[in-house]
Amino acid sequence: KNEVEQSPQNLTAQEGEFITINCSYSVGISALHWLQQHPGGGIVSLFMLSSGKKKHGRLIATINIQEKHSSLHITASHPRDSAVYICAALYNNNDMRFGAGTRLTVKP
Amino acid sequence: SAVISQKPSRDICQRGTSLTIQCQVDSQVTMMFWYRQQPGQSLTLIATANQGSEATYESGFVIDKFPISRPNLTFSTLTVSNMSPEDSSIYLCSAGTGGTGELFFGEGSRLTVL
Repeated sequence: KNEVEQSPQNLTAQEGEFITINCSYSVGISALHWLQQHPGGGIVSLFMLSSGKKKHGRLIATINIQEKHSSLHITASHPRDSAVYICAALYNNNDMRFGAGTRLTVKP
Repeated sequence: SAVISQKPSRDICQRGTSLTIQCQVDSQVTMMFWYRQQPGQSLTLIATANQGSEATYESGFVIDKFPISRPNLTFSTLTVSNMSPEDSSIYLCSAGTGGTGELFFGEGSRLTVL
């Protein structure tokens, strides 16, 4: 069964803190996406991973194929990082499953 | 990259009516997806819109309720049929390129059914 589990559900941090959001999935994915949804509702794809690690500015995404686990890290967090972060797994049968989302609030 | 225009951005509809949401991509894409996001919830995939064939629906979603068209590689529509208040939600489309696997999202259509 294709499942995606994401944690934590809610996260509050002080500006400058290092943040980690976790995502676990079942076997058989072809890619994993990290998405960001701001309060206005628009969704942006941050990363698409099939192996290894990607970095964009203060954002880092990693994936461990053996452990079926991915993490999204935010370094030097800022209030503008406040958003909902969603991981999405694309399975080999083109089935796409979403984590429940992590609501991040970064306080100044 | 791809830019997706989705409309309407919002609508208020009466029970029993149908609404068609349009999704236009500024470039040809291999995959298009339709999602629902209920208040306070994450995304739920409704279906994958395939060009030249019928859409592939996820468990819990049926073609009679959510008919989808995909006439070409840049356009798709989702119809929410015979609406009830339980259909009040945000509906989003996304598009993906088979090569890079990147996903691009429309701004969403906020539907309220009275």
